[in-house]
This record gives sequence, C-alpha cells and structure tokens, in this order.
Amino acid sequence: GQNIDQPTEMTATEGAIVQINCTYQTSGFNGLFWYQQHAGEAPTFLSYNVLDGLEEKGRFSSFLSRSKGYSYLLLKELQMKDSASYLCAVKNSNYQLIWGAGTKLIIKP
Amino acid sequence: DADVTQTPRNRITKTGKRIMLECSQTKGHDRMYWYRQDPGLGLRLIYYSFDVKDINKGEISDGYSVSRQAQAKFSLSLESAIPNQTALYFCATSDRGQEAGELFFGEGSRLTVL
Repeated sequence: GQNIDQPTEMTATEGAIVQINCTYQTSGFNGLFWYQQHAGEAPTFLSYNVLDGLEEKGRFSSFLSRSKGYSYLLLKELQMKDSASYLCAVKNSNYQLIWGAGTKLIIKP
Repeated sequence: DADVTQTPRNRITKTGKRIMLECSQTKGHDRMYWYRQDPGLGLRLIYYSFDVKDINKGEISDGYSVSRQAQAKFSLSLESAIPNQTALYFCATSDRGQEAGELFFGEGSRLTVL
C-alpha cells in the first residue's frame, strides 16, 4: 500500500524553531508538497520538492531525501499565526497525490 | 473575491436526499478536483477532470457523481446522501502548465447528513 506518516500533533513556543517530519512509501515519486491549513479553512500551498536537498522560502524551509523516503518542514521564528495543520503530500508515479493526515501545530506564547 | 468558490458553504440534509455542491473558478485552470476531508484522515480524491470532456474517478467515487459544465465549473452530486458522507468537501484547481502543479483550494463545503 501507499502511505504518508506524520506526527498527529506538535507543540512549540512562539519565537522558536520547529521541524515537522514526513515519511512516505509510495509507488514511485514525482514530487512532495507541503500545505498549511488553518482550522476550518482551505489548505494553501507552502512548498514543493522534487530533488534532494533544502528549499528555503522565508521563515519556512522544506527538505527532501528521496532515498530515505523522508521530508521535513522547518518553521523558524514561530508566530502565533503559524498555529495550523501542516499537510504532507506525495505525487506518485501515476501523478496521483497521496496525502498524509496532517500535523496539528500548536504555538504557545 | 475568492478565486475558487464553493456553494453552499454549509449544508445539513437528511439521509436519502440528493445534494449538489458547486464549484466555480476564475483562475483559468483546466484541471479541477473534488476532495473530502475527514478528521484523522488525509484528503481523499473523489473525482477529477483535466478538461471539459474529461472526467475521472478518484479513490472514493462510489456514491458520488460529477459534472463539468464548463472549464470554470465543476459540480459534485450525492444522489442519495448517507450519514457517512458527512465531511468537509473541497474543490481544487491546478494549472497543467506548472511544473509542480500545486492545488488551489476553495473554502470548503461542510456537509452533514442526518
């Protein structure tokens, strides 16, 4: 089967750094996405990795290791507005998106 | 105004009723999707369409049907709603010209089937 694993919930402190991990087992690989979803709202695109390495975009960075089936999303200088769920999704060899259940990130002052 | 608009945003209905969720987009994208989201589960694809005359089943299409009335409009129907179709439904679009093909989601339609 195909699956995406990410922690269900994480807690971090405002101003700190948090790393959200995602491991995947899919039939082939054609890219990995991270989306942010605030409670009751639509997911919004954060990042896309197709090659190994780190992609940095402001306070957010995403890392990919295809050989390990592993990615992480790194959030720096956490703000209260970063409280949200973070969804990892992998595009498989058929270009289908396989979604993780999401990691709920709670930011405390 | 949102680029991807879903109506209704909230709907409560009874078992056996027919329900239609509508989606319209102003992004000019050719690809449109319907997903459902349930607590503790990843987004699951119901149907998708890459063009007006192209309709494809996703992983959980049973009990659902769709219509692509125009490039900008994609509607989802539940012919006879049942309680386990209670969920948050999202319409999404993507542009085939983009390498990543990231999805742009509507605000969601929360459906409750009693």
